This record gives sequence, structure tokens and C-alpha cells, in this order.
Amino acid sequence: SAVISQKPSRDICQRGTSLTIQCQVDSQVTMMFWYRQQPGQSLTLIATANQGSEATYESGFVIDKFPISRPNLTFSTLTVSNMSPEDSSIYLCSVAQTYGYTFGSGTRLTVV
Amino acid sequence: DAKTTQPPSMDCAEGRAANLPCNHSTISGNEYVYWYRQIHSQGPQYIIHGLKNNETNEMASLIITEDRKSSTLILPHATLRDTAVYYCIVRVAVEYGNKLVFGAGTILRVKS
Repeated sequence: SAVISQKPSRDICQRGTSLTIQCQVDSQVTMMFWYRQQPGQSLTLIATANQGSEATYESGFVIDKFPISRPNLTFSTLTVSNMSPEDSSIYLCSVAQTYGYTFGSGTRLTVV
Repeated sequence: DAKTTQPPSMDCAEGRAANLPCNHSTISGNEYVYWYRQIHSQGPQYIIHGLKNNETNEMASLIITEDRKSSTLILPHATLRDTAVYYCIVRVAVEYGNKLVFGAGTILRVKS
């Protein structure tokens, strides 16, 4: 299965600032996904990022708050913009493969 | 919205089979059931998936009822390392591909 590297693994940020999270995959993949996991909760899909097209956002998530880039088939970034304490969560990227989906280990974000 | 319902927690004795139930009464005919688990501070790990037939791999067995409205994940000989949150997930078809819709998860505690 693909190996996913997410950076940073954790960060503490000031409210009002932005953080860009990187997701690097060791093989080419068509579909990449970004999830949010709030404390003690399950995973919620933020958006799907296909290379060469605009990301598709789920209900409740907007591009201005969570802009996504997908410049090639092995890399994507998610930016959390104008952060507030409510954005404190784990953010995970995932890729679709023939037999299933592989997840990164996540970025643990704390907004103070 | 989640398409699956799971008990919030379960206990299992070490060495015994762990049977984790999941209801997915609104599942459509072409939607797969996936199971993942998440150990603290890690990304979700793939366990097994199926559509209609029962499935077995080196980790677990998946039993899907004939009407597909529910399923059971079976860990045949639970160990302490199987303590985790187990997610029952439906893979939903959308216009741009497929996406995973996570349930709330079951916390499985394996006790010695």
C-alpha cells in the first residue's frame, strides 16, 4: 500500500493565523481526501482533491476557510485559514487505491 | 450524514472472539461496507471490506446479512493490541468517484 507522509505532525498556532499542511505520497494516486477529526470524534470528510481539477468540498466546508492545492499526482496541501480555537483538531489526508484507502498519521493542530 | 450505527463501546476478553456489530439500514445496492480501526494518535488502519458476500482475511472476518442492512466484524482471537476504535464505514458513489462516510465508531477494550 501507499506510504503517506504528513507535515507537520503537530503544531500550536495563534488564532487568526493560517497553517498549511502537506501530504506527500510515495506513488501516484488520482484521488486524495482531507479529513478533520475533532477531539473525541469520528472522521469528517472536508474535501476531495483530484489532480487537475478544483477540489470538491463537503457540506459545511468552504474553500475560503480550507483552500486545497493538488499540483501533481503525489502531493497535496490543505490550508486552515484565519484559525480559531474551534479549528483545533487532527487533520488527515487519505488516498484511494485499488483495494481500499490509506490514511496518513495526521496533523494535530491546537489553536490558542 | 453517517450511514452506519455502532455501539459506542464493547469489552472483550483476551483470546476470545470480538464481534463488533454495525447497522447500515439505508445502504444502497452498490455501496461497500468498510471496516477500519484507529489506535490512539495514529491514522485509521484498513481491516476488511465487502459488498454482499462474507469476507475473511488474515486480520478479521466480515459477515454481511442477506438484506445488507447490517454486518458484523469478527476478530477471531482478540489480543491486547486490538484495543482501538473500530469504524464501520459505507463507501458512497458520488459524481467525481467514491467517498467514505464514517460512523461514530466502537471503542473496543480487550482485557486480560
